[in-house]
Amino acid sequence: DAKTTQPTSMDCAEGRAANLPCNHSTISGNEYVYWYRQIHSQGPQYIIHGLKNNETNEMASLIITEDRKSSTLILPHATLRDTAVYYCIVRGSYNTDKLIFGTGTRLQVFP
Amino acid sequence: KAGVTQTPRYLIKTRGQQVTLSCSPISGHRSVSWYQQTPGQGLQFLFEYFSETQRNKGNFPGRFSGRQFSNSRSEMNVSTLELGDSALYLCASSLQSGTGSSPLHFGNGTRLTVT
Repeated sequence: DAKTTQPTSMDCAEGRAANLPCNHSTISGNEYVYWYRQIHSQGPQYIIHGLKNNETNEMASLIITEDRKSSTLILPHATLRDTAVYYCIVRGSYNTDKLIFGTGTRLQVFP
Repeated sequence: KAGVTQTPRYLIKTRGQQVTLSCSPISGHRSVSWYQQTPGQGLQFLFEYFSETQRNKGNFPGRFSGRQFSNSRSEMNVSTLELGDSALYLCASSLQSGTGSSPLHFGNGTRLTVT
């Protein structure tokens, strides 16, 4: 079973920030939070990941709460091309690359 | 640097046939894993390979198998195809296997249709 909980869908106006929440209340100390997105008929695209600290790259920012039980992915200026399903995944260092995907959040960016 | 390459992009097969899908990982990546995506079940882990050894396997029947070559390229095979095997099959590779800190990068998949 997925170890994360995300809203089923969200809307965002183009040019505004999109804030996608994720709950992972059972996360362990050595588990990372990963975000991927999938545009229809393409493979999941890696966005960002973090362990404890907030992270930022050219695509997005990841804010992890101090207790690590939840996180937020921020797309600072959403565009129509950001319309996709976003997956939040908890991934540990268990000598495996197995990822457990939930149902994700369908983000719709509108003009 | 080239991404993960999967071939073919689309495939149509008949029930009872077998199929082989191919995956070339990102250069330098030694870990390859496979996933099946269907509308009903979502993304599900099939298996993963590291240094030509299967390290983990998902809950799929034995008709699903795979292998990895010395150059890290991987193939997966599905024998005696069933209608329910129609899906998008995705391959992913990573640089540092199993550490948790190395992202998996996915290809765009092979769309298999079984008729």
